[in-house]
Amino acid sequence: AQKITQTQPGMFVQEKEAVTLDCTYDTSDQSYGLFWYKQPSSGEMIFLIYQGSYDEQNATEGRYSLNFQKARKSANLVISASQLGDSAMYFCAMRESNTGNQFYFGTGTSLTVIP
Amino acid sequence: ETGVTQTPRHLVMGMTNKKSLKCEQHLGHNAMYWYKQSAKKPLELMFVYNFKEQTENNSVPSRFSPECPNSSHLFLHLHTLQPEDSALYLCASSQVRDRDTEAFFGQGTRLTVV
Repeated sequence: AQKITQTQPGMFVQEKEAVTLDCTYDTSDQSYGLFWYKQPSSGEMIFLIYQGSYDEQNATEGRYSLNFQKARKSANLVISASQLGDSAMYFCAMRESNTGNQFYFGTGTSLTVIP
Repeated sequence: ETGVTQTPRHLVMGMTNKKSLKCEQHLGHNAMYWYKQSAKKPLELMFVYNFKEQTENNSVPSRFSPECPNSSHLFLHLHTLQPEDSALYLCASSQVRDRDTEAFFGQGTRLTVV
């Protein structure tokens, strides 16, 4: 079974609007971390935001927030006030306590911001 | 210099060549990773090193040979590659066994095998 599932291969959003990128995960571990990365066309993977499995509040970092629903095993990324520079690939990832050094990545979502 | 640095950024090599990719991190991390990213495919984990010891080899063909001389440096030695090995190769580092810390990535090496 896939550890991380991102079901949206491509998304479009109007500039200044908000967009939600979906991510579901599969783990039997009670302790894990969830991460979102942005990959522009240059190739570098840029860390955006982190959510721990025991965190009760949703993580926020500037215009990024993580909608964490533990019972549903989902960790959706919300980008508010989209900017043209947000156009990129976005990857959801998970790190489990039991397999501490492995990062499991989803297949990614390509986001295009339309002027 | 800070972060994770990969060299070269671009590499074109023939199938009979031998080349090496280099990765260096200045973050004090003790785990390092090689990932392969092919077009329209998810990131594939290739190798993981903890404290210079290889802990993961994800069924990678022997034409890819990693080397980790210390916790700050990671190499990927390439020989007799195939055209399907053309991809973006990403190096990353993190703290060992800390689920709360992210992986830091280099800018990648775009490899083309001709």
